[in-house]
Amino acid sequence: NAGVMQNPRHLVRRRGQEARLRCSPMKGHSHVYWYRQLPEEGLKFMVYLQKENIIDESGMPKERFSAEFPKEGPSILRIQQVVRGDSAAYFCASSPRGPGGSTEAFFGQGTRLTVV
Amino acid sequence: GQQLNQSPQSMFIQEGEDVSMNCTSSSIFNTWLWYKQDPGEGPVLLIALYKAGELTSNGRLTAQFGTTRKDSFLNISASIPSDVGIYFCAGQGHNQGGKLIFGQGTELSVKP
Repeated sequence: NAGVMQNPRHLVRRRGQEARLRCSPMKGHSHVYWYRQLPEEGLKFMVYLQKENIIDESGMPKERFSAEFPKEGPSILRIQQVVRGDSAAYFCASSPRGPGGSTEAFFGQGTRLTVV
Repeated sequence: GQQLNQSPQSMFIQEGEDVSMNCTSSSIFNTWLWYKQDPGEGPVLLIALYKAGELTSNGRLTAQFGTTRKDSFLNISASIPSDVGIYFCAGQGHNQGGKLIFGQGTELSVKP
């Protein structure tokens, strides 16, 4: 959905470098989710954030991965010291309300990370 | 953890045919969503279901939330070439926050 903006669309990093992926949710949405998709697989949940808070990070690898959603600006997914296994498409989704309300999630076009 | 089994994995059909795909869960879901993903793009929401037994249509697409709350199906009637893509079901469980569990996808190919 064009309303959720992710950049960059494609990112190439050498092993050991850092990758920063950005996501601007749809206007009026304060709930952001990050998902990872390996080739020919479904999306796997990583982390759920509201403004300035991490709500659920049960899908995040314990090391090298972090996420934030500051009061101002986009949500950032940061991967430190990337390895070849981090190569995947990373999708951000936003929704207007959290649990208990309508939780239709709208996805961005994704960032395709390639680690060489 | 919760798992979704989506079938079939792939389908090759003739233009004009109807298509059916389904998802089953190991546990109860409160919400079922169906998405379509084109190559190089993000998933696009097709239909959202919120109540057991609910049947919802969106043009040629119809989806149902199973009465057991552990399954859902998506039907596409009179398929056309632009229906080509990968279709994903996604479910949201109770007390799972807003996170979605995705099926493995059904890749649809339509022959003109």
